[in-house]
Amino acid sequence: DAGVTQSPTHLIKTRGQQVTLRCSPKSGHDTVSWYQQALGQGPQFIFQYYEEEERQRGNFPDRFSGHQFPNYSSELNVNALLLGDSALYLCASSFQGRGGNTIYFGEGSWLTVV
Amino acid sequence: AQSVSQHNHHVILSEAASLELGCNYSYGGTVNLFWYVQYPGQHLQLLLKYFSGDPLVKGIKGFEAEFIKSKFSFNLRKPSVQWSDTAEYFCAVNGSGGSYIPTFGRGTSLIVHP
Repeated sequence: DAGVTQSPTHLIKTRGQQVTLRCSPKSGHDTVSWYQQALGQGPQFIFQYYEEEERQRGNFPDRFSGHQFPNYSSELNVNALLLGDSALYLCASSFQGRGGNTIYFGEGSWLTVV
Repeated sequence: AQSVSQHNHHVILSEAASLELGCNYSYGGTVNLFWYVQYPGQHLQLLLKYFSGDPLVKGIKGFEAEFIKSKFSFNLRKPSVQWSDTAEYFCAVNGSGGSYIPTFGRGTSLIVHP
């Protein structure tokens, strides 16, 4: 049973560039959430996708956008990168059905902005 | 809005010592509570969770947590830690019946000396 998979695992970008991170949810899961984890901090919620729509959004600027595909996989896009965007980006999946409110995390994508 | 406070940011113990990590939350309704662990170089993994019922929850690897509603607390305990318990521990809360988006605490870094 495949867990949550993310790609790429590490990447380096320059200020002002754009980045796309990808996530495949755990088998059987239909909901994907994205989190940003800065060094020494807990994960901060960016947004959640369900049925290909953004259901809820955390306190992140519009530079952060996403997409969910019919197969439930998801992308996180960040435009006009800032140095402060350097962090571990975590994808988490869950199932919206009864009792399905436990989320499972992928290993994350380390983004360094220089 | 929900929030989580983890008071111990860094804990250093010797093997066989007992562990208790504090977690307090703020939320006006019924909650679901979680402890996640992040071992060095690995992804966030669920240690244990509380949804309802017995407030003393048993998790993996000998960990347990007690939900005390009157104190808005969900402290994590282990009677005897091992070197392999060295990791980052995160407490998380989300309002039950919601969209399953947990809010995480800042995390507690635990170092266990052999």
